[in-house]
Amino acid sequence: NAGVTQTPKFRVLKTGQSMTLLCAQDMNHEYMYWYRQDPGMGLRLIHYSVGEGTTAKGEVPDGYNVSRLKKQNFLLGLESAAPSQTSVYFCASRSSGGSSNQPQHFGDGTRLSIL
Amino acid sequence: SQKIEQNSEALNIQEGKTATLTCNYTNYSPAYLQWYRQDPGRGPVFLLLIRENEKEKRKERLKVTFDTTLKQSLFHITASQPADSATYLCALFRYGNNRLAFGKGNQVVVIP
Repeated sequence: NAGVTQTPKFRVLKTGQSMTLLCAQDMNHEYMYWYRQDPGMGLRLIHYSVGEGTTAKGEVPDGYNVSRLKKQNFLLGLESAAPSQTSVYFCASRSSGGSSNQPQHFGDGTRLSIL
Repeated sequence: SQKIEQNSEALNIQEGKTATLTCNYTNYSPAYLQWYRQDPGRGPVFLLLIRENEKEKRKERLKVTFDTTLKQSLFHITASQPADSATYLCALFRYGNNRLAFGKGNQVVVIP
């Protein structure tokens, strides 16, 4: 049971380059989230999705775009990478079934460095 | 402004003792609170959830309390073991909001 899989695990970019981070979940979850985690800052929500074809802004959305074309995938794009976007990025998903207090399931992160 | 505060200093504790972590919040009215564990280089893993109308929740050696008057949750690890060494995150959820707000985490180091 894979759960939440993030690719790539590591990446180094130059300032101004673009890239896409992929998140895939095999639990048929409706909700998916992208966070970034920086030292001393904790997890901050970038964008999230409540279902296929929907996206919404989180706490720190600037400089990022997302797409949820398929229920199992949630893509995070950096159009023009900046050094301030050096971080560890986590994807999470959760079920909508039963009640709203379902736990989130996280991937193991993508470590992104922008030079 | 809304804040979730966890102790930034690592908690060093002797094996077998009880570790107690605190999560304080301001300007929130959370419907429930979750605790997660995060190991180095890994994503957070869900441990426990406690609702606003619950005072205490237990799971094996873990215990969580929730005091909405004090705006505080306590997380206890009893009979701590070196394998419990990790960072523990609290997260708050409000109804009508599809997101969790996370604290910065508190590291626990269990000394054999």
